[in-house]
Amino acid sequence: EDQVTQSPEALRLQEGESSSLNCSYTVSGLRGLFWYRQDPGKGPEFLFTLYSAGEEKEKERLKATLTKKESFLHITAPKPEDSATYLCAVYNTDKLIFGTGTRLQVFP
Amino acid sequence: DAGVIQSPRHEVTEMGQEVTLRCKPISGHDYLFWYRQTMMRGLELLIYFNNNVPIDDSGMPEDRFSAKMPNASFSTLKIQPSEPRDSAVYFCASSLLDRTSEQFFGPGTRLTVL
Repeated sequence: EDQVTQSPEALRLQEGESSSLNCSYTVSGLRGLFWYRQDPGKGPEFLFTLYSAGEEKEKERLKATLTKKESFLHITAPKPEDSATYLCAVYNTDKLIFGTGTRLQVFP
Repeated sequence: DAGVIQSPRHEVTEMGQEVTLRCKPISGHDYLFWYRQTMMRGLELLIYFNNNVPIDDSGMPEDRFSAKMPNASFSTLKIQPSEPRDSAVYFCASSLLDRTSEQFFGPGTRLTVL
């Protein structure tokens, strides 16, 4: 069965304290891995798409990487405005499957 | 572009009532998706359309749920009759190129069935 697991479920960081979020997956026919950010009361907002192992993408303080079994979202020197839930999703041959997310809180 | 528009933003209804959720995708996007989000199950795909045609409705939980897309700028998700376990946030999303490209989500409709 296709599955996406994110860890940790919740993460509390001090402003400036770098860390990583994990997304592990088992899926047949991976066609892409997506990272989204979701703020409370809003819809998910697209961040990155990764298609093949070894691929990396960066946006401001965020960097996403992909291996054959997992993806990491690295957050460098986070700020309070980075607080959100980060969702990982994988596209198999049919549809987008989401993980349950990591809820990140960054304190000043 | 205003982005994906959903209405209503909040809906409170009683068990057994019919509920209709509405979505206007981004102009020019060929794909439209309906999702449901709960704390327990996260974000789940219910159904998606390509050029107004339903392609995959395997995520629709049961016959009480139905979705239509009469034209490129409008879609509805209907629940009849509604049940308390249908309480969730329902999102509509659209994408431009194909079903693997980035999806743009609306703000969601928070449904509460009493």
